[in-house]
Amino acid sequence: AQSVTQPDIHITVSEGASLELRCNYSYGATPYLFWYVQSPGQGLQLLLKYFSGDTLVQGIKGFEAEFKRSQSSFNLRKPSVHWSDAAEYFCAVGARTNAGKSTFGDGTTLTVKP
Amino acid sequence: NAGVTQTPKFRVLKTGQSMTLLCAQDMNHEYMYWYRQDPGMGLRLIHYSVGEGTTAKGEVPDGYNVSRLKKQNFLLGLESAAPSQTSVYFCASSDPPSAADEQYFGPGTRLTVT
Repeated sequence: AQSVTQPDIHITVSEGASLELRCNYSYGATPYLFWYVQSPGQGLQLLLKYFSGDTLVQGIKGFEAEFKRSQSSFNLRKPSVHWSDAAEYFCAVGARTNAGKSTFGDGTTLTVKP
Repeated sequence: NAGVTQTPKFRVLKTGQSMTLLCAQDMNHEYMYWYRQDPGMGLRLIHYSVGEGTTAKGEVPDGYNVSRLKKQNFLLGLESAAPSQTSVYFCASSDPPSAADEQYFGPGTRLTVT
């Protein structure tokens, strides 16, 4: 069975500081990995995804994530956080062979200090 | 394109009442999903559908029923609402052959059962 762990429930960073959100997954084969962002009162929006190839993937809004198979991790990073990045972030693992179903982590809430 | 839309946005029910949540997508996606989101628990899959006329149970299906009579619509029904079903409900769709499990989410329905 696939699973996702986001170890940090809540992270606070200052505006302009760098950010790293952690994600660890469990899956038997090569996973499809995703990061989604949810602004208050909104649905989830895809930030980036990894299927294969280059292990460093670029996404929207200046985010990137690195797939590390040896660590079963897919951490999200941003070099300089903006106040508008305050939101909840979800890591997810999926598999095409599983009816397209994704398993989501519990989320990390990001607060940005001015 | 409107993407994924959900009706209604908010609803308050009394215990024992019934209701149907409507999800519609205009992207011609094959797969559709219903999730519930509760604080600190991420998204949990209720039911899903891999095509018109087909439905399947997800992680937390008890107390819910679904129907997919038309490809673009996915209905979630609560026959006898319970306070434990107070949650935010999200619908999503995907088209794995072309988008490899990326899911597109609606804005959510906030349901309160008193």
